Amino acid sequence: QKEVEQNSGPLSVPEGAIASLNCTYSDRGSQSFFWYRQYSGKSPELIMSIYSNGDKEDGRFTAQLNKASQYVSLLIRDSQPSDSATYLCAVVRGGANNLFFGTGTRLTVIP
Amino acid sequence: EAEVAQSPRYKITEKSQAVAFWCDPISGHATLYWYRQILGQGPELLVQFQDESVVDDSQLPKDRFSAERLKGVDSTLKIQPAELGDSAMYLCASSPVTTGLGQYFGPGTRLTVT
Repeated sequence: QKEVEQNSGPLSVPEGAIASLNCTYSDRGSQSFFWYRQYSGKSPELIMSIYSNGDKEDGRFTAQLNKASQYVSLLIRDSQPSDSATYLCAVVRGGANNLFFGTGTRLTVIP
Repeated sequence: EAEVAQSPRYKITEKSQAVAFWCDPISGHATLYWYRQILGQGPELLVQFQDESVVDDSQLPKDRFSAERLKGVDSTLKIQPAELGDSAMYLCASSPVTTGLGQYFGPGTRLTVT
């Protein structure tokens, strides 16, 4: 079982719709969770962090965490073509001090 | 805005040659990471430094890869000899003392081994 699993996609949504990206993780002791956005040929950019159960909102982005289900998600409201990228879920395992990344979900927003 | 610096941005080398990458983390960030990212996959940690000390190099192929951070600031990752399978993006990231606050990536070095 992989540490962090994501649906590789591609996920296509029309402009203005809500994009929903999902991630599951294997280590129940994980404490910190991150979403990175990576444009093609570029490096990952940190867009959201979440540490406790529930929702965290930042502009058009909402991160959701459910530790009981070992599930973290990212919602992008009012999706724009500029949101087209690969979204990487990353987790800090319990007792560790480094990130474990999923393989990423490729999102395409169709104008 | 403070950024992680990396050089070179692109490198093409022949197999069996040596290659080196440089990284300068965000000022004040004690922790520095080197990752390798193969196309279509997430970044995988190669080595982690806390100041000048190696914290985790369990995934570093030590027969050909080496990394150092002599003064606890900038860092160099070296591959010798390079193999075709080393073609990838090499990413440097830094974070404050604890990675629980997230890591910030440099632009990366795209390595092509021919």
